[in-house]
Amino acid sequence: GAGVSQSPSNKVTEKGKDVELRCDPISGHTALYWYRQSLGQGLEFLIYFQGNSAPDKSGLPSDRFSAERTGGSVSTLTIQRTQQEDSAVYLCASSSMGWLAGGQETQYFGPGTRLLVL
Amino acid sequence: ILNVEQSPQSLHVQEGDSTNFTCSFPSSNFYALHWYRWETAKSPEALFVMTLNGDEKKKGRISATLNTKEGYSYLYIKGSQPEDSATYLCAPQSGGSYIPTFGRGTSLIVHP
Repeated sequence: GAGVSQSPSNKVTEKGKDVELRCDPISGHTALYWYRQSLGQGLEFLIYFQGNSAPDKSGLPSDRFSAERTGGSVSTLTIQRTQQEDSAVYLCASSSMGWLAGGQETQYFGPGTRLLVL
Repeated sequence: ILNVEQSPQSLHVQEGDSTNFTCSFPSSNFYALHWYRWETAKSPEALFVMTLNGDEKKKGRISATLNTKEGYSYLYIKGSQPEDSATYLCAPQSGGSYIPTFGRGTSLIVHP
């Protein structure tokens, strides 16, 4: 079946502009995660959605970052007033049940959005 | 957030060589450890989920071991092939957290 998809695959923006990144998880997966990888760094957790529960936003680096998940499916990560340090690969992942399965599930990743802020 | 170390940072080997790399993590309150392979321009792909001390997992030429008491996992690749070239990520989880912490990865390049 279809895997996790993300759009756009690449995004170049100017400092101060807002950007929206989209993630389509695997159909039926209740858990959705956003990560980013900055140059030379590991994957950094940003936010986690589990079904209709309140999201875990503990990884968001500043209040310029927000995310929503509509209808328990598609998710959008928004970065307002982008800064150069926001340049990174933004990855989305989904899993079948997330913490409901004890949190040991494999996550299925999308191909990422490469964001460059000039 | 766990302190996760992966070594070496990068590795160049010749086709046919066997190789291994290490993931170190805090041994206290261990819950699970994930290994992923991330090829350039592709999505990270899950290799193994390991939960028990002494666990050994195998997938083709790739295998992994886990020592939760001392806080490390080894990933082995037997007879490396150019298609094994990728970054290998480990991601341990501590008890009570459903979010794994990813290491920076080991970049493997296999030369034909």
